[in-house]
Amino acid sequence: QITLKESGPTLVKPTQTLTLTCTFSGFSLSTSGVGVGWIRQPPGKALDWLALIYWNDDKRYSPSLKSRLTITKDTSKNQVVLTMTNMDPVDTATYYCGHLLYSSGWYFVLHWGQGTLVTVSS
Amino acid sequence: DIQMTQSPSTLSASVGDRVTITCRASQSISSWLAWYQQKPGKAPKLLIYKASSLESGVPSRFSGSGSGTEFTLTISSLQPDDFATYYCQHQTFGQGTKVEIK
Repeated sequence: QITLKESGPTLVKPTQTLTLTCTFSGFSLSTSGVGVGWIRQPPGKALDWLALIYWNDDKRYSPSLKSRLTITKDTSKNQVVLTMTNMDPVDTATYYCGHLLYSSGWYFVLHWGQGTLVTVSS
Repeated sequence: DIQMTQSPSTLSASVGDRVTITCRASQSISSWLAWYQQKPGKAPKLLIYKASSLESGVPSRFSGSGSGTEFTLTISSLQPDDFATYYCQHQTFGQGTKVEIK
């Protein structure tokens, strides 16, 4: 059974850095074709892809947020960490991590975490 | 970046109706498209991948078709559990289609 769970602060202040951890089980991030990604969803709005990391340590970022994002993995701990700098109230959203399958330059999200709501406010 | 555009944004339908949602890509993406269902307060759920492959456990009333730039998600006979928001995804996601009760 594959599970993912997001953890991190529920409230951050403007200009602070957000660090979120995705802890997963049931798959290995060293298996070819596997990845973990982060997707967020502002209240009442659509899904917005942020970043992903593949089994081979290849990393991809949303072009509009690339300068603020860093994604890393710790295969031994089954964790992926996302950091987002210079947080703003518009970054208030539910942040999801997902188990990705990669094929020919494309990915889709096979399993999702439950999500964690992050509020940015002073 | 390839943009994904869904239509309609909202769809009102009744139980038993056949429902079709369209997703258009700003350039050809072959068959590299997935569809997800999301209910309020819940994480999305994968329905279809590679445009037409049904994810395991998803009811057969859901089907996907298309290639290139135009894709459709069809629900052959809408059930009460199907009222939700649906998203297409290539790399970015479409803006979503909310299926609500008529």
